[in-house]
Amino acid sequence: EVQLVESGGGLVQPGGSLRLSCAASGFTVSSNYINWVRQAPGKGLEWVSVINSAGSTYYADALKGRFTISRDNSKNTLYLQIDSLRPEDTAVYYCAKSRGSSRLAAALDCWGQGTLVTVSS
Amino acid sequence: EIVLTQSPGTLSLSPGERATLSCRASQSVTSNYLAWYQQKPGQAPRLLMYGASSRATGIPDRFSGSGSGTDFTLTINRLEPEDFAVYYCQQYGSSSFTFGPGTTVDIK
Repeated sequence: EVQLVESGGGLVQPGGSLRLSCAASGFTVSSNYINWVRQAPGKGLEWVSVINSAGSTYYADALKGRFTISRDNSKNTLYLQIDSLRPEDTAVYYCAKSRGSSRLAAALDCWGQGTLVTVSS
Repeated sequence: EIVLTQSPGTLSLSPGERATLSCRASQSVTSNYLAWYQQKPGQAPRLLMYGASSRATGIPDRFSGSGSGTDFTLTINRLEPEDFAVYYCQQYGSSSFTFGPGTTVDIK
């Protein structure tokens, strides 16, 4: 069964850092596009970042510089490092996998349950 | 970065009616790499359509997608009670993927 399980969320003070993890099972992270998508309370979905099957990384224009996506193929796990956290980063962070390994198949067909990040003093 | 606009913001309909949701892109979406997702309260989104008009696995045929370039439509024929939810479009044709703001389909 294909599954994604996020962890690492919690309460963080403004200016702090956090690393979110997304453990994958039932498929290989290096064979797909894996995305991070966030959703602030009561708001819509916001695409954050993607790492593709070739290992190339891309970010939302508004978020470049503070977010770093990476993966550990040996652990079949994806990460999102967030630095200089701001209150507006408060959101549920989802990881989601693509249908396949190419741009043609980059729509997101499996999502984790999300992990909540709260940035507050 | 491609900006997606969805309309209407809210659609109030009765079960059995047809829903027509629009998604407009600020520039042409490469190869119609446009997806639609459904999200219910407290749940992760679910993929409905990809490539603008292909249904994802397990999605009933009352859902259909159309469009190309900058204008896309999701149609839900004969709304079922479980279809009342928020719907998002997403483009994945550029290096930076983006979502639209969503359309809420609620019960009239």
